[in-house]
Amino acid sequence: QQPVQSPQAVILREGEDAVINCSSSKALYSVHWYRQKHGEAPVFLMILLKGGEQKGHEKISASFNEKKQQSSLYLTASQLSYSGTYFCGTESVGGSEKLVFGKGTKLTVNP
Amino acid sequence: DTAVSQTPKYLVTQMGNDKSIKCEQNLGHDTMYWYKQDSKKFLKIMFSYNNKELIINETVPNRFSPKSPDKAHLNLHINSLELGDSAVYFCASSQGSGAITDTQYFGPGTRLTVL
Repeated sequence: QQPVQSPQAVILREGEDAVINCSSSKALYSVHWYRQKHGEAPVFLMILLKGGEQKGHEKISASFNEKKQQSSLYLTASQLSYSGTYFCGTESVGGSEKLVFGKGTKLTVNP
Repeated sequence: DTAVSQTPKYLVTQMGNDKSIKCEQNLGHDTMYWYKQDSKKFLKIMFSYNNKELIINETVPNRFSPKSPDKAHLNLHINSLELGDSAVYFCASSQGSGAITDTQYFGPGTRLTVL
């Protein structure tokens, strides 16, 4: 079951904040966040695990609400380099150890 | 140093041809993956291998056949290419047994265009 990301796209000015959401209809074991710049490979940002453990990027924060099967990625004081498409990948509880990715959120940061 | 590499970067071919994409990782990881990203940017897993053993095989046409000669390499062979196979194919690797708590490192991608 593919997670749903929102918004689909967001445009910011440098220094502004953004929140990207990811929700699933299934109970989740983990949520992974990746950023992909145009023509490049997805790059790991963060993993959030059931139970509260997190692993990831120092300058990016995220939350995982296990009860609501939702995760949010918080981008504060955005920089031009934050531009790209953000994907969440989810693993469901009892799933087959594979990541199912959302359709992505395109973030554009302008000067 | 390149962590996950793929060749070729671009592949343009005619319908009906057979082609291969190669992937190598020098991270010492035990698990490797193939993903397909379509024109709408939808990223979907195709296969995963752990120590040369097939772990995940999604509902992929059997024209696609992965081969892992050793744990550092995972190649993808595609027979009888169709227009719908046009996409960017990403190889990825992760440490350990493929548990989803492991970070996946993606290769640069191979853009396949079928004419």
